[in-house]
Amino acid sequence: GAVVSQHPSWVICKSGTSVKIECRSLDFQATTMFWYRQFPKQSLMLMATSNEGSKATYEQGVEKDKFLINHASLTLSTLTVTSAHPEDSSFYICSALLIASSSYNEQFFGPGTRLTVL
Amino acid sequence: GNSVTQMEGPVTLSEEAFLTINCTYTATGYPSLFWYVQYPGEGLQLLLKATKADDKGSNKGFEATYRKETTSFHLEKGSVQVSDSAVYFCALSTNTGNQFYFGTGTSLTVIP
Repeated sequence: GAVVSQHPSWVICKSGTSVKIECRSLDFQATTMFWYRQFPKQSLMLMATSNEGSKATYEQGVEKDKFLINHASLTLSTLTVTSAHPEDSSFYICSALLIASSSYNEQFFGPGTRLTVL
Repeated sequence: GNSVTQMEGPVTLSEEAFLTINCTYTATGYPSLFWYVQYPGEGLQLLLKATKADDKGSNKGFEATYRKETTSFHLEKGSVQVSDSAVYFCALSTNTGNQFYFGTGTSLTVIP
């Protein structure tokens, strides 16, 4: 099946530093990837849609200058949390879109990255 | 528009009890429906899915049937185990896959 990995699985950083999270589709190419954020005991909230070779599309209320997304290849998207603060602490989950057929596509989810900002 | 409404938790059951977690949806077109499970401290794992009406998804003893007439995709398991304790998310996806809608999640605790 389609596998999506994330690295790192957890990270602790100091306030004011930047953190990069990688999302890779291991056995398929993905022109489109998605980044979600999950607060404790809550559901996933879509942050942005990442398109290979073009700018990401951010959801309303998500600061694009704070959450930098780069989709430089068909198997890799990165999310950089710039100048992180404690309120950015969260669980970040990515997904990659598999084009299964002309009429059906499916998102496959990574295992998530837990970010803790001290 | 598209949305998923999921039974609120938390749900606490004794081992070997029957489980039902209700999920209903609203959608335009013909969505695919999913159940994901999230164990404490971990990411989402796909539990089962159904891509068209009347399909039944099943995995690890869990089942859910895509009911278009009632716009439902209820999750069931005949006999839960302590290891089933987790949060369960119902989700809907458009066929393009570009739009994914999650329910709020239902926390299940199974006690011995």
